[in-house]
Amino acid sequence: GAGVSQSPSNKVTEKGKDVELRCDPISGHTALYWYRQSLGQGLEFLIYFQGNSAPDKSGLPSDRFSAERTGGSVSTLTIQRTQQEDSAVYLCASSRGTGSGGELFFGEGSRLTVL
Amino acid sequence: AQSVAQPEDQVNVAEGNPLTVKCTYSVSGNPYLFWYVQYPNRGLQFLLKYITGDNLVKGSYGFEAEFNKSQTSFHLKKPSALVSDSALYFCAVERGGSYIPTFGRGTSLIVHP
Repeated sequence: GAGVSQSPSNKVTEKGKDVELRCDPISGHTALYWYRQSLGQGLEFLIYFQGNSAPDKSGLPSDRFSAERTGGSVSTLTIQRTQQEDSAVYLCASSRGTGSGGELFFGEGSRLTVL
Repeated sequence: AQSVAQPEDQVNVAEGNPLTVKCTYSVSGNPYLFWYVQYPNRGLQFLLKYITGDNLVKGSYGFEAEFNKSQTSFHLKKPSALVSDSALYFCAVERGGSYIPTFGRGTSLIVHP
């Protein structure tokens, strides 16, 4: 498809389990973002990848969260030892990355529920 | 540092009436400002942005926004609301050169028939 693709769309897990969320950005987009959307909290920045540069991890809430981007394309967000407060919609976005101020293209999100 | 405030959790308007969704921002340096819309169970979609130039910017679906530097505001407007405009609207700010936009908490727009 032409848009940002995320999987799974829904994930229910038990507290303490690890989860992986996948994002496939738009082809040719060099910038990739992960945000978290919680009810009433808006969008919380998590991590930003730009090309082959070191990612900006300044938004990751704890060391249980990590992300990687392989080959400058697909990205995986991993949450270890999940907690109930991790329940949220995780949104991935990509952009052309040709300059600051670019439009972000969002996927439909992965809804994570931690029981 | 950069931040965005959307002071209204919800805005209600009758179809055919003008609508305004408010946004104020705080940023060191030149602000890049954005509006995105989220329909139920969908990702965010870009509406419009201000980078430089004319303070009034026009975007998708008949929406426009006015950049006001003195009031540090970037309110979203539309002259005549449609029921189909009902959605969640997010304002975002990016300090020029930072590459990472900060989003507000969102405003739910409800347009009544």
